[in-house]
Amino acid sequence: DQQVKQNSPSLSVQEGRISILNCDYTNSMFDYFLWYKKYPAEGPTFLISISSIKDKNEDGRFTVFLNKSAKHLSLHIVPSQPGDSAVYFCAASAGAGGTSYGKLTFGQGTILTVHP
Amino acid sequence: GAVVSQHPSWVICKSGTSVKIECRSLDFQATTMFWYRQFPKQSLMLMATSNEGSKATYEQGVEKDKFLINHASLTLSTLTVTSAHPEDSSFYICSASKGGTGELFFGEGSRLTVL
Repeated sequence: DQQVKQNSPSLSVQEGRISILNCDYTNSMFDYFLWYKKYPAEGPTFLISISSIKDKNEDGRFTVFLNKSAKHLSLHIVPSQPGDSAVYFCAASAGAGGTSYGKLTFGQGTILTVHP
Repeated sequence: GAVVSQHPSWVICKSGTSVKIECRSLDFQATTMFWYRQFPKQSLMLMATSNEGSKATYEQGVEKDKFLINHASLTLSTLTVTSAHPEDSSFYICSASKGGTGELFFGEGSRLTVL
């Protein structure tokens, strides 16, 4: 049972344009969501997170939107840069008070390719 | 940010042997560490939660006798794949929870190939 789903295995974007990565979840107990960036043969690195009490969080070029009613979140990268090319995972945690990460459930990942 | 280091980064072993992977938090104490496994083009799957000084908590479907986890100190957790078989070949990643917010920091991962 895949509780966190990233239905797009890959996304290709032109440099300077917006990249939108999507993630859906089924567990209504999830109260904290994170996005990670991962290069091959490396561990994930944290990008941005959002608590379920918010619907938007912004950090530089990265913005995460949360739609609780739809159980959907998205990561927007504007403007996209070739260095953003990587695998992006969304992850969710539950019952950690919405402030700490606890155990994470990951999506399958989306390969983002940003073309110069 | 905090640093979590895994060793070895890659290992090749013969079927039937045991392999130990170390996960160290280099600049903070981690009372809790997590072990994940990633198959090619798939998600990171949580295998177990490792708590310092106590037994690990394994996720459903993970064989605790196959994947031995020891968290002997606040900076070190080890995963031992016992009697490894080719189907155990995978990318294993640990993460450590930093006190306070419980923010997670990931190691670089360890690629295991069992021949």
